[in-house]
Amino acid sequence: QMQLVESGGGVVQPGRSLRLSCAASGFTFSSFALHWVRQAPGKGLEWVAFISYGGTNKYYADSVKGRFTISRDNSKNTLYLQMNSLRAEDTAVYYCARQEEGYYYMDVWGKGTTVTVSS
Amino acid sequence: QSALTQPASVSGSPGQSITISCTGTSSDVGGYYYVSWYQHHPGKAPKLMIYEVSNRPSGVSDRFSGSKSGNTASLTISGLQAEDEADYYCGSYTSSSPFLFGTGTKVTVL
Repeated sequence: QMQLVESGGGVVQPGRSLRLSCAASGFTFSSFALHWVRQAPGKGLEWVAFISYGGTNKYYADSVKGRFTISRDNSKNTLYLQMNSLRAEDTAVYYCARQEEGYYYMDVWGKGTTVTVSS
Repeated sequence: QSALTQPASVSGSPGQSITISCTGTSSDVGGYYYVSWYQHHPGKAPKLMIYEVSNRPSGVSDRFSGSKSGNTASLTISGLQAEDEADYYCGSYTSSSPFLFGTGTKVTVL
């Protein structure tokens, strides 16, 4: 069964850092590109970051560029999101999702992990 | 880049058909056949309903269909059922970023 499970969320003060993880199982992790997507309270889905299957190509939303870093460890079947200089507006449920290489949609999603930025 | 534009809400009675629009530009929706649609029940993982404008993944009901004309894509739900009540998001590949979501539409079954 294909599965993505996020972890690492929690409550953090503004300006601090947090690292999210997304563990994959049930499919060949290294063959898929991956995204981070978030949903702030009462808001819609927002694309956050993308990483290609090999980790070479990375893209970020303007709202997180320079503060967040996406990475992956294909030997551990795990995706990461390093979040620095956190702001209140980064408060959201963070989802990871996979995308088959050469295609442009997200077909498997995790259930999300909640990040709250508050003093 | 601004989110794709969707109506905030759409409603219908059981058995009826509804259509949700998703309007972008020639740099996203209008420029590529890479529009997808997602169903999101609160507290759950989003679910892919349509990909590449009009294709349904295995397991998705054929009551869901997609189309595109110019810069606007559409999702139609036929034979509306109570379980269809959810938030729906369109998404598209763009010329400047790998993905862009729509503003989201709350579907209510009356």
